Amino acid sequence: QKEVEQDPGPLSVPEGAIVSLNCTYSNSAFQYFMWYRQYSRKGPELLMYTYSSGNKEDGRFTAQVDKSSKYISLFIRDSQPSDSATYLCAMKDDYKLSFGAGTTVTVRA
Amino acid sequence: EAGVVQSPRYKIIEKKQPVAFWCNPISGHNTLYWYLQNLGQGPELLIRYENEEAVDDSQLPKDRFSAERLKGVDSTLKIQPAELGDSAVYLCASSLRGANVLTFGAGSRLTVL
Repeated sequence: QKEVEQDPGPLSVPEGAIVSLNCTYSNSAFQYFMWYRQYSRKGPELLMYTYSSGNKEDGRFTAQVDKSSKYISLFIRDSQPSDSATYLCAMKDDYKLSFGAGTTVTVRA
Repeated sequence: EAGVVQSPRYKIIEKKQPVAFWCNPISGHNTLYWYLQNLGQGPELLIRYENEEAVDDSQLPKDRFSAERLKGVDSTLKIQPAELGDSAVYLCASSLRGANVLTFGAGSRLTVL
């Protein structure tokens, strides 16, 4: 079993819809949680970073962390075609950063 | 400010040939990483440098892969000889020492025929 599980999708939604992405993890030592966005043929870029349970909001993006359930989520409100990308969750303990497999999202105009 | 720069962006080689990838990290970033990303997968760490010292190379297949970071700035990742299964994207990333957030380059896409 992988330390970080992420449904690879793909996910296709109409423009304006809410996109919901999630990851589960098994390593209780993970303290830092990130979401990276990766456009086709580009490197991952940081979208959200949090280190505590609860919600963090940045514009149309909301990250949720539930450490008791070992579950993190990313919500994208009012999705745009420019949000079409692969979204990677990532988690870190004191030493190592572990990535999920990524979920590919397509927002249809 | 320039980001993490990688070259070449694309490389096609025959199996058993050597290949090398180069990375220039963000200025001032002491920590440099090489990751492997297979199609449909998340990045997996190959090696991490703190300045010129490789502090985590446990996932680097040392029979055919090697890396160096002379002078603690630029880094080179080499594969010799390449195998069909090495076809993937090789990502370089950098960060400040101890930082949790990494900045990635665009990657070098390798195709081995």
